[in-house]
Amino acid sequence: AQKVTQAQTEISVVEKEDVTLDCVYETRDTTYYLFWYKQPPSGELVFLIRRNSFDEQNEISGRYSWNFQKSTSSFNFTITASQVVDSAVYFCALSEARAAGNKLTFGGGTRVLVKP
Amino acid sequence: DSGVTQTPKHLITATGQRVTLRCSPRSGDLSVYWYQQSLDQGLQFLIHYYNGEERAKGNILERFSAQQFPDLHSELNLSSLELGDSALYFCASSFKPGLDKDTQYFGPGTRLTVL
Repeated sequence: AQKVTQAQTEISVVEKEDVTLDCVYETRDTTYYLFWYKQPPSGELVFLIRRNSFDEQNEISGRYSWNFQKSTSSFNFTITASQVVDSAVYFCALSEARAAGNKLTFGGGTRVLVKP
Repeated sequence: DSGVTQTPKHLITATGQRVTLRCSPRSGDLSVYWYQQSLDQGLQFLIHYYNGEERAKGNILERFSAQQFPDLHSELNLSSLELGDSALYFCASSFKPGLDKDTQYFGPGTRLTVL
């Protein structure tokens, strides 16, 4: 069965600090897909990134970067020079290639609070 | 704005009642998904429809049902409502028929409060 664990429930930082969100996943499938979503205080879920299991390249998008390590089953997310607008709950999610349909299994989320 | 629309935004009802949540996917998307977000259970997958047919079922109660219509919009019906059904219900959509595990884009959600 697939499982996603986000051990950090809440992280509080001061603006301009870097913050890293941990995500550890479990799956028996050899092909799978990992995602990060952001849920700001307004409540919607915003897609940030998708990573395939066969592509271990790290990715950077502006102040956001992602570190995918298959050996440790982790897909961590770093916000560099955090801003108040980064305050949100961030979810890591997993989808297995062999599973029927396209079910996303989410972690419990990490609430990030960026103080001015 | 993801392009996925959900109505209503808020719904307040009483225990034992029945409600219908509506979702319109992004233009061209063939798949629709429903998720429930509650404080105790987190974000849980309920059901996936592709082009009108059910593709996968998750932790969806028997009191809940869904369907996807020919115009691809979807409805989630919740009946015999209980206090514990109070949650944020999300709809998501995705497109590529050849890529079963395509990225899902979420709507703004419907917040259901059962009193």
